Amino acid sequence: QLQLQESGPGLVKPSETLSLTCTAPGGSISSSSYYWAWIRQPPGKGLEWIGNIYYSGSTYYNPSLKSRVTISVDTSKNQFSLKLTSVTAADTAVYYCARRGVRGWDFDLWGRGTLVTVSS
Amino acid sequence: QSALTQPASVSGSPGQSITISCTGTNSDVGGYNYVSWYQQHPGRAPKLMIYDVSNRPSGVSNRFSGSKFGNTASLTISGLQAEDEADYYCSSYASSSTSVVFGGGTKLTVL
Repeated sequence: QLQLQESGPGLVKPSETLSLTCTAPGGSISSSSYYWAWIRQPPGKGLEWIGNIYYSGSTYYNPSLKSRVTISVDTSKNQFSLKLTSVTAADTAVYYCARRGVRGWDFDLWGRGTLVTVSS
Repeated sequence: QSALTQPASVSGSPGQSITISCTGTNSDVGGYNYVSWYQQHPGRAPKLMIYDVSNRPSGVSNRFSGSKFGNTASLTISGLQAEDEADYYCSSYASSSTSVVFGGGTKLTVL
């Protein structure tokens, strides 16, 4: 059964780059039926969509984060990644990776999430 | 401030029905049938409950239903159960930026 698993540092210093990876054991990132997404949730707050990527590499980003975000995919490793540059305390959040079908805009499979704290 | 507006909290007694609203604009909720609803228990990842306004994924109870009128979508939970106590988020496709927007979330309390 397909699962999604986030991994990466739990602590990042201000002004540095946040880097996370999502792997998909039990499934294939190369499926033509899905986009792969990053979504975050600051502590005690709501959800914020960061962006999507297709296995071909095409991307959509949240306009408010677009200047700082890069989402990439590595089909050989069956994973996709998030990089967020110039982080501040406002980027402290639980970061989720998720799956979205190509015919809709809903996220039907989520990872467990990983907390990233921005602090010196 | 979230792109979609939800009430901060709603409550109901076991067995009752409640409705959570989600208000957007013509560029998101009102313009497309791409409204989704998610349930999130504390410390857990969100779970898809409704997609494309009114469709339930396999395994989701038929006590959960969705609808839309104009720029406002709604999630109705009938026959409230203690396990329904959670945060609920709506989301929609937003054409203005080819993106996804979420509501601020609604905390459901089962009395």
